[in-house]
Amino acid sequence: GENVEQHPSTLSVQEGDSAVIKCTYSDSASNYFPWYKQELGKRPQLIIDIRSNVGEKKDQRIAVTLNKTAKHFSLHITETQPEDSAVYFCAAEGNTPLVFGKGTRLSVIA
Amino acid sequence: DTGVSQNPRHKITKRGQNVTFRCDPISEHNRLYWYRQTLGQGPEFLTYFQNEAQLEKSRLLSDRFSAERPKGSFSTLEIQRTEQGDSAMYLCASSFMNPGETQYFGPGTRLLVL
Repeated sequence: GENVEQHPSTLSVQEGDSAVIKCTYSDSASNYFPWYKQELGKRPQLIIDIRSNVGEKKDQRIAVTLNKTAKHFSLHITETQPEDSAVYFCAAEGNTPLVFGKGTRLSVIA
Repeated sequence: DTGVSQNPRHKITKRGQNVTFRCDPISEHNRLYWYRQTLGQGPEFLTYFQNEAQLEKSRLLSDRFSAERPKGSFSTLEIQRTEQGDSAMYLCASSFMNPGETQYFGPGTRLLVL
């Protein structure tokens, strides 16, 4: 079955700097890769996703890149703000239902 | 609010008791998923429905867990003979039917088994 590894587990950045979170997956059949943000005590919310026919997708300060050959995908947040502080989860879906990484706790220091 | 809703939001029970949680998905969504999330972990897939049919269950799902979606709308998740290890957040999500459709999560039911 699918296995998703996510790094780092914690990340602290200064406000205005960029943050990068990386994930790898094992199942070459996976073709959908969403990223969720979860604030403390709240539900996970989709922030961006990418499908396997696309290598990069951008939405304002957030971008995701996908390398299908290497089976890894990354989340990039530019010009970080304190409200970006949360736990971020990557996930992969293909022949199996969504499999999530263990999450990255991002702290943006003002 | 037209999002996914879950009830109750919190449940405290004693070991050995049965509990039942309810999820109301976004009304147009065919698929409904149940996940379990423990502290410091990502959501872990338990089972999912397409309309009223339960299409897949995780191998990790104990026989004490059962889920239903009798009319293809709301779903219930029952845990029988609860154990302390069942303490977790139980999340429900819904989506349209096609692969790769966005899953929208509910607020979850936090279960504490004493």
